[in-house]
Amino acid sequence: NAGVMQNPRHLVRRRGQEARLRCSPMKGHSHVYWYRQLPEEGLKFMVYLQKENIIDESGMPKERFSAEFPKEGPSILRIQQVVRGDSAAYFCASSPGEQYSYEQYFGPGTRLTVT
Amino acid sequence: DAKTTQPTSMDCAEGRAANLPCNHSTISGNEYVYWYRQIHSQGPQYIIHGLKNNETNEMASLIITEDRKSSTLILPHATLRDTAVYYCIVLYYGTASKLTFGTGTRLQVTL
Repeated sequence: NAGVMQNPRHLVRRRGQEARLRCSPMKGHSHVYWYRQLPEEGLKFMVYLQKENIIDESGMPKERFSAEFPKEGPSILRIQQVVRGDSAAYFCASSPGEQYSYEQYFGPGTRLTVT
Repeated sequence: DAKTTQPTSMDCAEGRAANLPCNHSTISGNEYVYWYRQIHSQGPQYIIHGLKNNETNEMASLIITEDRKSSTLILPHATLRDTAVYYCIVLYYGTASKLTFGTGTRLQVTL
């Protein structure tokens, strides 16, 4: 049973470009969460999605960031017009359903570097 | 969600038990205690959770005091691979799903 997959593992973007981070949840999991970890800081919640629905986006920056989890395919975290402050590790987690929400299984992360 | 307090760092000799404490004095009756850990540069890993009874799984044991104001995560035979930051998180077992990570305890297992 494959775990949570994220790609790319490392992504380098120049300021002003767009970054797209992908997350494939564990098989059978329909809930996806995105977290960000800035250098030398703790993990911060960004957004919680179910298939085709955003459930909680209270941790998402108001501009340039968006997330989706379509009916088919991986969840995408999109960052438009990246700035140096977006450089961080972005982790995706999945869970099977609301009853087990706090047992989240994390992927290896995508390390975004903005130059 | 109740606030937690953990020591900043701890050391443990390999092969010995690692006991990581967590204070959660404002915990309410329907809040669970969850433990996660993050090994350097990896995604966090779920370890164990409990409500009021002690819990044990293949990774660790969780001891919750009778008044539920504190708990201890026990790694019975720590190895070098257990070196990580350990997070104690208290959560209402309801519809909210996000995890709020504090600063955790940095456990260093040494030879």
